[in-house]
Amino acid sequence: EPEVTQTPSHQVTQMGQEVILRCVPISNHLYFYWYRQILGQKVEFLVSFYNNEISEKSEIFDDQFSVERPDGSNFTLKIRSTKLEDSAMYFCASSEEREREQYFGPGTRLTVT
Amino acid sequence: GQNIDQPTEMTATEGAIVQINCTYQTSGFNGLFWYQQHAGEAPTFLSYNVLDGLEEKGRFSSFLSRSKGYSYLLLKELQMKDSASYLCARDGGYNKLIFGAGTRLAVHP
Repeated sequence: EPEVTQTPSHQVTQMGQEVILRCVPISNHLYFYWYRQILGQKVEFLVSFYNNEISEKSEIFDDQFSVERPDGSNFTLKIRSTKLEDSAMYFCASSEEREREQYFGPGTRLTVT
Repeated sequence: GQNIDQPTEMTATEGAIVQINCTYQTSGFNGLFWYQQHAGEAPTFLSYNVLDGLEEKGRFSSFLSRSKGYSYLLLKELQMKDSASYLCARDGGYNKLIFGAGTRLAVHP
């Protein structure tokens, strides 16, 4: 069964450093998303992406964040200058169409020290 | 507003039935999802309701009343592996999911 994959599974970085989180969505899916979940809190939407552009972004997704689909398979989230409060689990998700179920990857645990 | 309310915790006995309720604000409603999340893992899709009524899928069923802004997830024949958090989420437009805080279900023998 096809699945969303994410790398790395765990990333430790120092405050102020740039990180890139990588995702490979399910191959025939057209819509891509990033969510984050701070430990013990709810899953929060960051950004949705379709047809090589951002469809929607939340207030969390400020100028420090960017997304890219550099080739036909990868979907990346970049945080330019990490802050302590960026420590969270970051989930990538994809869906075949709008208003359809989203399938989540296993997540990348980002720890900012 | 996009508030989603669901109970924080529930407990149930193996083999029993449990109903997890969710209420949401009805303005701009596009659909309601239920996800299961085991500790330290990703959410996994359980169900999607966009029309009123009951959707049954094996041991899990989900109900929606759009006029009341209400949904529930019904789990039958509970198993120990059903111990997890159950997340209610609404489609907030442009297919972004707005999640509730989740209901942590503990199934005991």
